[in-house]
Amino acid sequence: EAQVTQNPRYLITVTGKKLTVTCSQNMNHEYMSWYRQDPGLGLRQIYYSMNVEVTDKGDVPEGYKVSRKEKRNFPLILESPSPNQTSLYFCASSVRLAGGPGNEQYFGPGTRLTVT
Amino acid sequence: AQSVAQPEDQVNVAEGNPLTVKCTYSVSGNPYLFWYVQYPNRGLQFLLKYITGDNLVKGSYGFEAEFNKSQTSFHLKKPSALVSDSALYFCAVRDGDNAGNMLTFGGGTRLMVKP
Repeated sequence: EAQVTQNPRYLITVTGKKLTVTCSQNMNHEYMSWYRQDPGLGLRQIYYSMNVEVTDKGDVPEGYKVSRKEKRNFPLILESPSPNQTSLYFCASSVRLAGGPGNEQYFGPGTRLTVT
Repeated sequence: AQSVAQPEDQVNVAEGNPLTVKCTYSVSGNPYLFWYVQYPNRGLQFLLKYITGDNLVKGSYGFEAEFNKSQTSFHLKKPSALVSDSALYFCAVRDGDNAGNMLTFGGGTRLMVKP
């Protein structure tokens, strides 16, 4: 089954304790992205990756890191989490045709993170 | 900078009645427009998109949307609502002239369909 998986689905942690949220897709998609969802703000893009070893900042990258060492995986790293990073996080992927940004994205089930 | 506005936090409609969820956008290049739906405790699912061509696009589950360039709108519609359509709906825009794949979402509209 074609899908985007995220782990963990729920995480409660304390300020400053480094954490990683994993994201994996089995559709051989070039493009992957991380979003955070907050009430009334919709989804805001944190980082995206056009392909292996190619990453770029989205709208709200501060406090986050990503890496794209393999095509299927795109982990989100919070080196020193703070309470304002409490949110619902989604990973997404899509095919990226050259010069064509019109491809729909496939979303993972989400990771609910609470930082106390 | 590109942006999307969904002016209604919630839309209430009776089952069997037509529904409209509003979306307006701002983008410097050619707009690529999307609608996604989110059911409780799930990720977003793609409904439909406008890239080029007919202004009326049809998508999943009987939904359709009309692209209006002069009003910079992309409202989501369905002729006859179902209770199972109750969910959170997001409109999104991407600049079609920019190869960088930044997708900007609106704040979301909760659709409540009552029996």
